[in-house]
Amino acid sequence: AQKITQTQPGMFVQEKEAVTLDCTYDTSDQSYGLFWYKQPSSGEMIFLIYQGSYDEQNATEGRYSLNFQKARKSANLVISASQLGDSAMYFCAMRDALPFEGGSEKLVFGKGTKLTVNP
Amino acid sequence: SAVISQKPSRDICQRGTSLTIQCQVDSQVTMMFWYRQQPGQSLTLIATANQGSEATYESGFVIDKFPISRPNLTFSTLTVSNMSPEDSSIYLCSVWVGTVAKNIQYFGAGTRLSVL
Repeated sequence: AQKITQTQPGMFVQEKEAVTLDCTYDTSDQSYGLFWYKQPSSGEMIFLIYQGSYDEQNATEGRYSLNFQKARKSANLVISASQLGDSAMYFCAMRDALPFEGGSEKLVFGKGTKLTVNP
Repeated sequence: SAVISQKPSRDICQRGTSLTIQCQVDSQVTMMFWYRQQPGQSLTLIATANQGSEATYESGFVIDKFPISRPNLTFSTLTVSNMSPEDSSIYLCSVWVGTVAKNIQYFGAGTRLSVL
């Protein structure tokens, strides 16, 4: 069964500094997808970044990058130049194989990391 | 991406009543997903809703408690029935959007439910 582990319940960072949020995963599938979402206090889930298991390059989206280490089964999120608006819960999630590969289309989420950006 | 409209955004309900949450997507999708997020917890999948067939429920969730409708390819409802304070949660709907190479699950803004 798939599993996502986020070991940092809370993280603090100074404004304008970079921060890394950890995520490790466990799967027996060769094909899978890894996602990061941001959840502000309003409750909405905002997609940040995606990494496919066959992607050779680490994904980047603006100030977000995903440090993908396949052998270690880790997919850490790096936020550069933190802003006060980055304060939120961050969830790592994994999709198993695509339906045509026998997958389920379900997302499994980690427990989340609460990031606080200090001025 | 996708525009997913979910309503109501929040509600306060009395014990024993039911609430129906609506989810509207701006494009046709095969599957729609319903999640529950209890206070301070992560997201848990309730069920997957396909158009024209019964929803598929995850372990621990039953149709009598969480009936789902999927009348067409852009709309779904989730009803939380016979509510108790333990049902106080954020409920979110979601859909997959994209290609085989990059398929992203997008979420509605959520319904924050409080049961007194």
